[in-house]
Amino acid sequence: EAGVAQSPRYKIIEKRQSVAFWCNPISGHATLYWYQQILGQGPKLLIQFQNNGVVDDSQLPKDRFSAERLKGVDSTLKIQPAKLEDSAVYLCASSLTSGGYNEQFFGPGTRLTVL
Amino acid sequence: GENVEQHPSTLSVQEGDSAVIKCTYSDSASNYFPWYKQELGKRPQLIIDIRSNVGEKKDQRIAVTLNKTAKHFSLHITETQPEDSAVYFCAASKMHDMRFGAGTRLTVKP
Repeated sequence: EAGVAQSPRYKIIEKRQSVAFWCNPISGHATLYWYQQILGQGPKLLIQFQNNGVVDDSQLPKDRFSAERLKGVDSTLKIQPAKLEDSAVYLCASSLTSGGYNEQFFGPGTRLTVL
Repeated sequence: GENVEQHPSTLSVQEGDSAVIKCTYSDSASNYFPWYKQELGKRPQLIIDIRSNVGEKKDQRIAVTLNKTAKHFSLHITETQPEDSAVYFCAASKMHDMRFGAGTRLTVKP
């Protein structure tokens, strides 16, 4: 089966610029997650969607980060304006549904470098 | 919220030896504990998981143990091979809230 797709794979921007990432989850997966993985650390959940509704965005820096999943399938994550500390790999993951024991399948990630 | 601590941060073993990675969690409501393997430049992939109603689970050379009372769980890899070299992450989850440990870089020397 096709996995989670993300684009772009790499992005280099200057601080204060804007950037957007795209994710296409595995077909039929209702739950979509965005994680931030800073070098040398574990993934940190930014936001979780169940279909097109937000389940958890408690760790999303809402002053600069936003995400949407309008039709319950693809999702975009935006940073505006970017800061140096936003340099990280942004991972998208999906699972059949939320809660319980659902395996999360990760995409290849987008490596963001903010200069 | 949940806090997951993982030790050691780096681990080097000889091929054929065993490797053990330990994690502790803080929220007694957590009920699902997956382990992910991440090779350099690649995505994390689930290698084994355990639910809170089970104390131990084994899959070929890997096993996971869970001590709910002490709130810790461990990954055991036996007969390590060079291809086991990667970063391993533990995680603890309740409902939709999954928190990851900081990772363990395992190096298996041939």
